[in-house]
Amino acid sequence: GDSVTQMEGPVTLSEEAFLTINCTYTATGYPSLFWYVQYPGEGLQLLLKATKADDKGSNKGFEATYRKETTSFHLEKGSVQVSDSAVYFCALTDPRGYGGSQGNLIFGKGTKLSVKP
Amino acid sequence: ETGVTQSPTHLIKTRGQQVTLRCSSQSGHNTVSWYQQALGQGPQFIFQYYREEENGRGNFPPRFSGLQFPNYSSELNVNALELDDSALYLCASSLGGRGASSYNEQFFGPGTRLTVL
Repeated sequence: GDSVTQMEGPVTLSEEAFLTINCTYTATGYPSLFWYVQYPGEGLQLLLKATKADDKGSNKGFEATYRKETTSFHLEKGSVQVSDSAVYFCALTDPRGYGGSQGNLIFGKGTKLSVKP
Repeated sequence: ETGVTQSPTHLIKTRGQQVTLRCSSQSGHNTVSWYQQALGQGPQFIFQYYREEENGRGNFPPRFSGLQFPNYSSELNVNALELDDSALYLCASSLGGRGASSYNEQFFGPGTRLTVL
């Protein structure tokens, strides 16, 4: 079945460092891809998305490009801030539906990012 | 606009007991999805409700059941609790439809932390 694999954490960076969190996926169809962020004590928030190959999602300085040839959707940010400390989840959804439903999300295990001042 | 709310925030139960978790969807949303997030893992899809009917189910046993009400709020019920049911339970609402081909963003609540002793 469909699955998402993302790099193990935790990742610890200094402020203003460059961030990359790797994400690869397995899917039988043509999934949409997402990055969600979970701040401590909060629910998941959509960070960015891409719905077809070569699309680039971007938000708050974060970017990820949908690479069908490498089945990847790596998250990048040029200069991280302390406020970016959170857990980041890569996810996909098959627009044809999953288990009979419409657009439910399949998540990776998450990568915890800690940014030090 | 009111976001997705969940109650209770935390809950402690003992093995074999039953539990009910509640979710109020975001205004205007007609679809609710439930996810289980074990410690250190990504969320896993339990089931989805669309207009009061189950609209897809993940790989969870029948002792996980749900309801959706006419106001689109929802309950997750778990019978015969097991230790492995200890997790963060996330509810997400969206504006969707059965058989829809495009993804509609899911908005997550803060979750209910269930501990089974």
